[in-house]
Amino acid sequence: QQQVKQSPQSLIVQKGGISIINCAYENTAFDYFPWYQQFPGKGPALLIAIRPDVSEKKEGRFTISFNKSAKQFSLHIMDSQPGDSATYFCAASHGGYQKVTFGTGTKLQVIP
Amino acid sequence: NAGVTQTPKFQVLKTGQSMTLQCAQDMNHEYMSWYRQDPGMGLRLIHYSVGAGITDQGEVPNGYNVSRSTTEDFPLRLLSAAPSQTSVYFCASSLGTGAGELFFGEGSRLTVL
Repeated sequence: QQQVKQSPQSLIVQKGGISIINCAYENTAFDYFPWYQQFPGKGPALLIAIRPDVSEKKEGRFTISFNKSAKQFSLHIMDSQPGDSATYFCAASHGGYQKVTFGTGTKLQVIP
Repeated sequence: NAGVTQTPKFQVLKTGQSMTLQCAQDMNHEYMSWYRQDPGMGLRLIHYSVGAGITDQGEVPNGYNVSRSTTEDFPLRLLSAAPSQTSVYFCASSLGTGAGELFFGEGSRLTVL
């Protein structure tokens, strides 16, 4: 059972454009929603995270939008750059509990 | 700063062989975990530990064994390797057992023939 559904599987964006990755979850007990970025041959690294008491969190060019009623959250990358080309994973966990459930990943390619 | 160190980076096994993937962290993290990454399936939790002497199963524990005798080390054992265990394995740790940043190693790519 996929508790965190992520789309699209792959995404091609032109340099300077906006990249948008969407995730939906089923477990209403989830209360921590991180996004991880993974470059080829490396392990994932935390990019940005949000808790459901806010609807949006912004760090530089990266923004998480969160819709608690729809059980959806998304990552927006503004002014996308070739260096942003990587695989992005959304994730969720609950109850101050570190068992993190990951989405299936989105491979982003930013072309010049 | 070593962070989370995994060895080996690459390994080829024959069906039925056993092996241990090593994971060590030097950040005094309480929580350690093992994930496997397969195309189209994301990262799936195999086993995790909330402290020395304490381990528990994740989403896909069958065929794997773990132990945590020290805070620093969390080895993953494949008892009798199967082709379905061909994957990239990641060890991850975090400071506390509550929700927070996971620090990942660089992965171990395992092929079972």
